[in-house]
Amino acid sequence: EAQVTQNPRYLITVTGKKLTVTCSQNMNHEYMSWYRQDPGLGLRQIYYSMNVEVTDKGDVPEGYKVSRKEKRNFPLILESPSPNQTSLYFCASSPGIIYEQYFGPGTRLTVT
Amino acid sequence: KQEVTQIPAALSVPEGENLVLNCSFTDSAIYNLQWFRQDPGKGLTSLLLIQSSQREQTSGRLNASLDKSSGRSTLYIAASQPGDSATYLCAVSVGSGYSTLTFGKGTMLLVSP
Repeated sequence: EAQVTQNPRYLITVTGKKLTVTCSQNMNHEYMSWYRQDPGLGLRQIYYSMNVEVTDKGDVPEGYKVSRKEKRNFPLILESPSPNQTSLYFCASSPGIIYEQYFGPGTRLTVT
Repeated sequence: KQEVTQIPAALSVPEGENLVLNCSFTDSAIYNLQWFRQDPGKGLTSLLLIQSSQREQTSGRLNASLDKSSGRSTLYIAASQPGDSATYLCAVSVGSGYSTLTFGKGTMLLVSP
């Protein structure tokens, strides 16, 4: 089944403890991206990647890192999480920005 | 910077009614516009994708139109059903040296039996 998977789905952590949220797709898509969704602010893009080893900042990249060493994986790294990074995170993939975007199920992160 | 606005923010209708959701964007230099559905606590499901050269797309009871010059799109839902209750999001993709998807804040739809 063609899908985008994210792990973990739920995470509660403490300020400053490094964490990684994984994202994997099995559709051989070149384009992958990360979003966060917050009440009243909607979905905002954090980072995107147009291909392996090619990443770029979205609208709200501060406090996040990404890497794209393999085509199928696009992990989101929070080196030192803070409470303002408490949010619902979505990973998405597509053959390219002009094509239909496929979203993962989301990761709900709480930073205390 | 591209801004996407969705009106209304919330809509409540009785089952069977036809309805229209609106999406407007400020920069007409888009690659495409996509409508999504999001159920509470869940991910996004793509409903329709309209390329910038197209005027409309249809899927079952859904019809989406695009007027790029005026910066507007509508999502028409025919014969609404309680199962249509969800938040509907529109998003536009832009290029010009970078590639990003800009979302509206959504319209929360409730269809009552």
